[in-house]
Amino acid sequence: QKEVEQDPGPLSVPEGAIVSLNCTYSNSAFQYFMWYRQYSRKGPELLMYTYSSGNKEDGRFTAQVDKSSKYISLFIRDSQPSDSATYLCAMSGAMNTGFQKLVFGTGTRLLVSP
Amino acid sequence: NAGVMQNPRHLVRRRGQEARLRCSPMKGHSHVYWYRQLPEEGLKFMVYLQKENIIDESGMPKERFSAEFPKEGPSILRIQQVVRGDSAAYFCASSSSGGDNEQYFGPGTRLTVT
Repeated sequence: QKEVEQDPGPLSVPEGAIVSLNCTYSNSAFQYFMWYRQYSRKGPELLMYTYSSGNKEDGRFTAQVDKSSKYISLFIRDSQPSDSATYLCAMSGAMNTGFQKLVFGTGTRLLVSP
Repeated sequence: NAGVMQNPRHLVRRRGQEARLRCSPMKGHSHVYWYRQLPEEGLKFMVYLQKENIIDESGMPKERFSAEFPKEGPSILRIQQVVRGDSAAYFCASSSSGGDNEQYFGPGTRLTVT
């Protein structure tokens, strides 16, 4: 079983739809949760960074973390064709070592049609 | 405000040759991470470096792979005697501190081994 599971998609939605992207994980030591967006043949771009459980909102993006269920989500409101990309979840553990490597999901490909 | 720089963007090597990938972190960042992305897989952590020090190389293959981050100049990921299985996208990320999980990625180097 992978430490982080993410549906590869593709997820196809019409412009203006609300998009829900999700990851589950198995390692209860994870405390930091991130979402990256990756356009084809480009590097990952950090979208959201959250610590522990709760919600965080930034513009059209909302990240949710439910540590009790080991489940994280990214919501995109009013989706645009320019949101078409692969979305990667990433997470890392406690800070006691001063560093934690990021563990990534495989990414969900999102297609927003005009 | 330059981001993480990587070069070359594309690299073709024949089996048995050496590959050298370079990464310059964001201005003000002194922590560098290397990740590898194989087709249809998520990013996998390889190594974490600070200036003149390898902090964590738990994701590096035991043979043929090495990394450095000298006092002056970019970080270098070196792959000796490349094989076809080394074909992948190699991404470098940087952060302002090792405990800071906000890692910012470069555009990647796509290595093709023929």
